[in-house]
Formats: sequence, structure tokens, C-alpha cells
Amino acid sequence: DTEVTQTPKHLVMGMTNKKSLKCEQHMGHRAMYWYKQKAKKPPELMFVYSYEKLSINESVPSRFSPECPNSSLLNLHLHALQPEDSALYLCASSQGGTGGAYTQYFGPGTRLTVL
Amino acid sequence: GENVEQHPSTLSVQEGDSAVIKCTYSDSASNYFPWYKQELGKGPQLIIDIRSNVGEKKDQRIAVTLNKTAKHFSLHITETQPEDSAVYFCAAAYSKVIFGPGTSLSVIP
Repeated sequence: DTEVTQTPKHLVMGMTNKKSLKCEQHMGHRAMYWYKQKAKKPPELMFVYSYEKLSINESVPSRFSPECPNSSLLNLHLHALQPEDSALYLCASSQGGTGGAYTQYFGPGTRLTVL
Repeated sequence: GENVEQHPSTLSVQEGDSAVIKCTYSDSASNYFPWYKQELGKGPQLIIDIRSNVGEKKDQRIAVTLNKTAKHFSLHITETQPEDSAVYFCAAAYSKVIFGPGTSLSVIP
């Protein structure tokens, strides 16, 4: 089973709202990732957690706050977002550490619209 | 910095024909090359991958070739079907995964 689940599927929020995206995997993977994907573009890496510790932050604005409560769960807390933050947010996981040579498995994504 | 180029950006083929997508990478340390298929409204799905110690890999109608000297790798899909229509991303990885810009493949019935 190579399933990564994400909730919600769609989210519409105002610029003053606080919301959270959730990601879950039960493959025993020890690295989890958040990506942002704009239309007709490849995924852009935002954050990487390795063994439940934040190991990579690709200079993402502080209005995005990741959290890894345990090895199976990954959250992305959103606050004071801008309309340009509207995108598909993808979660992925991989075995082992954060080296690129580990296969990453993606979830279906959360389609976020910021009004 | 690290870069992956991908061509063509769009590709239309008749059902049953073959499709080829080509990628080049800049980081000679890259040692893992996955290919992802992304259908509309879905997340990327791994379809095949190859590591640097292998020159070619095949899985049913899909094959990938790697030329490390030239830093080229390619995806070959034979006997294309309408359900192969999607956006395909190549990627090169060493310390992190670098994606190509994507190829939108349309298979015309």
C-alpha cells in the first residue's frame, strides 16, 4: 500500500482566517514533505520532516507553519494568507531520510483558494 | 543551480502510437530519476524510476533510458491509450528532487 491521504480536498478561506491542512501515511515512512503546485507547473518543495524533525524549510513565509505530531501525521497551519497562495498543496512521504534518492509518494492534494 | 529541462512541453499522439519525452539534468551527482504522471485534479503518481547504475528499465508499455555521460534520460510509452493522457514530470535527485517543467500528453482516440 503506497497511499498518502490528505484532508480536506478543497478549502476556501479568507485572508484573515486560520485553517489547517492534514496529511497521513501508514507506510512506516520516516520522511514527509509539503509541496505547493501552481497550475501547469511542477511541485515546489516547501518543507521536509525527517524522523519528525524539520530538516528543510525552503524559505517559506511564516504564514505557513508546519507541524509533525508523530511519524504518520503532518499538518500545515495557515494564517493570514494572500490570494497568490491559492494553489494545490501536496503532501508526500518517503522511506528513510531526506536524501533525494528515496522514492516519494504523493497524496491527492488539497486545492486551496484564498479570497 | 540544479536544473532539469524537459521536452516537448506538449505532445499529441494517435491512440496506439508511441510517445517519447526527453529530459536533461545539470547536477552530475544526481543518481535517481523518477517519472510521475499527474491526471487532472490528482496528485503526481510514480510510474517508473531508474537509478544511475542502470541504463534501461521497462515495465509493460513504459520504459525509461538513462545516459549518464550525456546527462539525458527519456520516457517511452508504447501502444498509447486515451487513459495515458496526463501531465508527465521527470525528475533528477541527489540531495533533493528537482522536477522538470512537465509534458502534457494527449492521446487521441
